[in-house]
Amino acid sequence: DAGVTQSPTHLIKTRGQQVTLRCSPKSGHDTVSWYQQALGQGPQFIFQYYEEEERQRGNFPDRFSGHQFPNYSSELNVNALLLGDSALYLCASSHTKWETDTEAFFGQGTRLTVV
Amino acid sequence: QKEVEQDPGPLSVPEGAIVSLNCTYSNSAFQYFMWYRQYSRKGPELLMYTYSSGNKEDGRFTAQVDKSSKYISLFIRDSQPSDSATYLCAMGYNFNKFYFGSGTKLNVKP
Repeated sequence: DAGVTQSPTHLIKTRGQQVTLRCSPKSGHDTVSWYQQALGQGPQFIFQYYEEEERQRGNFPDRFSGHQFPNYSSELNVNALLLGDSALYLCASSHTKWETDTEAFFGQGTRLTVV
Repeated sequence: QKEVEQDPGPLSVPEGAIVSLNCTYSNSAFQYFMWYRQYSRKGPELLMYTYSSGNKEDGRFTAQVDKSSKYISLFIRDSQPSDSATYLCAMGYNFNKFYFGSGTKLNVKP
């Protein structure tokens, strides 16, 4: 079982650019959540995708958008990058059963540096 | 006021000590409570999760939830140097969205 995989592991971008991060969920999981973790802080919820739709969203601007594909993998896109977007971006996968999910497992993250 | 408060530490203990890590929260609607361990520059690893109040034990780890006090704890018995990491508490109404503490950095000295 490959677990949750994220790519790339590291990325350096310039202010104003756009970035796409990718996540493949754990086998058997159909729900993907994205979190932003600034240095020395806990992860903050960006949004969650289930059945290819955004199910819930945290307090992040519209510059942050996402997508989920039929194979359950997901992308996080960030437009017009700011220096403050530098962080570890984490993907968590889980399986939705009825109205509650199973435990969420995290990938290793993508470290984004904006210069 | 943050949804979840966690002492950042660092907490330094000798090998073999019992470690107590804690979080407080403000939202009484939280039902799911998790503890994650995060090594430097890695993703969080799920250690324990509990639903509602009560205790849960798994090997050297015990998680406690006191909903009346809005307080959760993680105890580590016989701590090892390999337990040195940042411990994150997380909670939510369901598994759709978690609110994390800022993490407590633990150092177990040999």
